[in-house]
Amino acid sequence: AQSVTQPDIHITVSEGASLELRCNYSYGATPYLFWYVQSPGQGLQLLLKYFSGDTLVQGIKGFEAEFKRSQSSFNLRKPSVHWSDAAEYFCAVGANTGNQFYFGTGTSLTVIP
Amino acid sequence: GAGVSQSPSNKVTEKGKDVELRCDPISGHTALYWYRQRLGQGLEFLIYFQGNSAPDKSGLPSDRFSAERTGESVSTLTIQRTQQEDSAVYLCASGGKGLKLFFGSGTQLSVL
Repeated sequence: AQSVTQPDIHITVSEGASLELRCNYSYGATPYLFWYVQSPGQGLQLLLKYFSGDTLVQGIKGFEAEFKRSQSSFNLRKPSVHWSDAAEYFCAVGANTGNQFYFGTGTSLTVIP
Repeated sequence: GAGVSQSPSNKVTEKGKDVELRCDPISGHTALYWYRQRLGQGLEFLIYFQGNSAPDKSGLPSDRFSAERTGESVSTLTIQRTQQEDSAVYLCASGGKGLKLFFGSGTQLSVL
């Protein structure tokens, strides 16, 4: 069965510190992988996506993610967190048919001064 | 508008009443999705429309839930005889090429 696991429900980091949000997936075919961010009162926004090719993908707002097939992971990273990064982050997996996307339960990020 | 618009933004209803939620997708987007987000949980897929193809209704939790979309225009999600467990944020997303989804801000449904 297809699923996405985000093991960390809530993470707190200091502004300027590095960040890594974990995502593990279970998918029967070659996965298409996504990270979305949901800021308070706003809709989800796509940060980055992986379809094929280079396993390290760059996204908006200075985020990057690395696809590791052997670990079934697609962790999100940022070298230096800004206060404005405080939000809910969702990992998702989908098929190239586009008919369904499976989302994780999200990781809430708090950034402290 | 430039983004996905959902209305109402908030809906409070009494148990047993019917509710209708609306989604205006981005013009030209052929794909439209409805998701449900319960408090503290991830997004739960409900239904997917792609152009004029038959919708994928596999995520609808019961026959009280239904959705319609005419062509590539507005979609409505209807919940009949609402129950308290239907309380959640209902998110709509539309998608064009590249499997990139654009989400609306959602409708917060509260069933008393």
